[in-house]
Amino acid sequence: GQQLNQSPQSMFIQEGEDVSMNCTSSSIFNTWLWYKQDPGEGPVLLIALYKAGELTSNGRLTAQFGITRKDSFLNISASIPSDVGIYFCAGHYTGGFKTIFGAGTRLFVKA
Amino acid sequence: NAGVTQTPKFQVLKTGQSMTLQCAQDMNHEYMSWYRQDPGMGLRLIHYSVGAGITDQGEVPNGYNVSRSTTEDFPLRLLSAAPSQTSVYFCASSRGQGAQGNTIYFGEGSWLTVV
Repeated sequence: GQQLNQSPQSMFIQEGEDVSMNCTSSSIFNTWLWYKQDPGEGPVLLIALYKAGELTSNGRLTAQFGITRKDSFLNISASIPSDVGIYFCAGHYTGGFKTIFGAGTRLFVKA
Repeated sequence: NAGVTQTPKFQVLKTGQSMTLQCAQDMNHEYMSWYRQDPGMGLRLIHYSVGAGITDQGEVPNGYNVSRSTTEDFPLRLLSAAPSQTSVYFCASSRGQGAQGNTIYFGEGSWLTVV
């Protein structure tokens, strides 16, 4: 079946550091999505990418849709304690209803 | 803005009991879906619907039923609860059409424990 590999699984960083996480797939996607999940809540959309090569920012967050359409990354600059949570990537590929989620990157930020 | 609303937030069931998780969205989205989230496994699709009257199985459909009688509602039924169904369940919706139609919006989750 389709697989979406997200890395790293977890990150322990100091407040103020930059963070980078990425997702790769064996399939070509036409949409990449990045979500954040706070404890006890549902995933909330951070950034949506719709075109290969697209680079989109949302405040301190930047994400890119890879040129090959098989990968995407999310960067967080100058991390703060409220960045703590689980970050999920998701890819949607053509051919009907099919969005696949990565296993998540758990981010810990030490003040 | 309500978005995607699911109830209950928490539920404890005994093995063999049945129950229904409710989900409603007020965004007039065509697509609705149910996911379960288990540690280290991300979000796995249980069932989905691309419109009223149309449902289909996802990755892990066994033990669950769904129906879509209206555009707004998409309940998930556990027929005979098993401990393996202890999980966090998320209802989600998306427009399904257009450039941004694949963007999925989630409810706040339902924590289910089967003992």
